[in-house]
Amino acid sequence: DTGVSQNPRHKITKRGQNVTFRCDPISEHNRLYWYRQTLGQGPEFLTYFQNEAQLEKSRLLSDRFSAERPKGSFSTLEIQRTEQGDSAMYLCASSLVLNEQFFGPGTRLTVL
Amino acid sequence: KNEVEQSPQNLTAQEGEFITINCSYSVGISALHWLQQHPGGGIVSLFMLSSGKKKHGRLIATINIQEKHSSLHITASHPRDSAVYICAALRGNQFYFGTGTSLTVIP
Repeated sequence: DTGVSQNPRHKITKRGQNVTFRCDPISEHNRLYWYRQTLGQGPEFLTYFQNEAQLEKSRLLSDRFSAERPKGSFSTLEIQRTEQGDSAMYLCASSLVLNEQFFGPGTRLTVL
Repeated sequence: KNEVEQSPQNLTAQEGEFITINCSYSVGISALHWLQQHPGGGIVSLFMLSSGKKKHGRLIATINIQEKHSSLHITASHPRDSAVYICAALRGNQFYFGTGTSLTVIP
């Protein structure tokens, strides 16, 4: 257990539905990252927060994806109008600024 | 082309063998992170280094920033070392990940 938790661990949804994932980072960590990982690939950067500010988003990130970290603690990642191509493992990681990251267990999304 | 390349992609070793996994990157970075991912998805941080060498138990990581290369060594490998090993290069505020090296250690 790294101290980073994610919920739910698994999500199965039908195409077109909205889904929301939650990440609870290590409490003193001010950086929070979201990644997506597909089979056989390394994690792909989606976005990151420093405290409550979303500082960077991947240019590859569709506008169907949105993330928040309202009080600089937990974060949510929402995917609207899911597509089958969104099926992946969604990983959250937290860190102190420019230090090693600690990863949560991930949320596995399956879009039918 | 991925900015971070790992080799080999797959590696099978006999228990007790010395293992080396390589990571090279094409852009300037400030640090490199080695991670271990077990089946089921959990990712564990092994090392983060910006110069020289770090050692933890049977694991050793080295980096040469100028040559844009890092290696992860496992001494006296054990079946419980079987996992995917991923390197991630820190450039600016983002980590860029390799695709991983899948290691299987056979008893």
